[in-house]
Amino acid sequence: KAGVTQTPRYLIKTRGQQVTLSCSPISGHRSVSWYQQTPGQGLQFLFEYFSETQRNKGNFPGRFSGRQFSNSRSEMNVSTLELGDSALYLCASSDDGTVNTEAFFGQGTRLTVV
Amino acid sequence: AQKITQTQPGMFVQEKEAVTLDCTYDTSDPSYGLFWYKQPSSGEMIFLIYQGSYDQQNATEGRYSLNFQKARKSANLVISASQLGDSAMYFCAISGNTDKLIFGTGTRLQVFP
Repeated sequence: KAGVTQTPRYLIKTRGQQVTLSCSPISGHRSVSWYQQTPGQGLQFLFEYFSETQRNKGNFPGRFSGRQFSNSRSEMNVSTLELGDSALYLCASSDDGTVNTEAFFGQGTRLTVV
Repeated sequence: AQKITQTQPGMFVQEKEAVTLDCTYDTSDPSYGLFWYKQPSSGEMIFLIYQGSYDQQNATEGRYSLNFQKARKSANLVISASQLGDSAMYFCAISGNTDKLIFGTGTRLQVFP
């Protein structure tokens, strides 16, 4: 069974640009969550999608958005990039995303904003 | 609100020895899950072990076991027979009624020969 796949692995963008990251969950998993990891703030929850609907959202500005497709693949978009958006973005896949299910992560996308 | 506290920024252990990584948590949710992840320098978060709040027995997965003490709100990870490849960051996390994971600050484990 294939694991969680995130693309691209690395990205370099300029301030003010926008970026789209992709996450393909484990086959059969319907919940996809996104996390931002920085040295200063650690791991922070961005949002969660289940069956194409955003079910939970963290405390991030509206520049951060996402969506989920009918095949459960998810994308997150960051518009008007700022230097502080430089981070490792991790996607987690789980069966139904409830408290008692295991969540599996991808390798992450490392975004650098210059 | 939920919170995870990992008080050990770094730990050293000799190969083949056992090591315990500490994790305490705080939550008001009656039902919750506790997770441990390993993050090598490559960045991927590798799932290690899960404990449900209503599970009576401590979870075990190969060389990993979770020492769950509900009254003390602790969920320590025990790695038996450490290997050089165990060197990595280890994160404890909790999920509750909001279904999102709250992570601790992590513990960097270094295994030496």
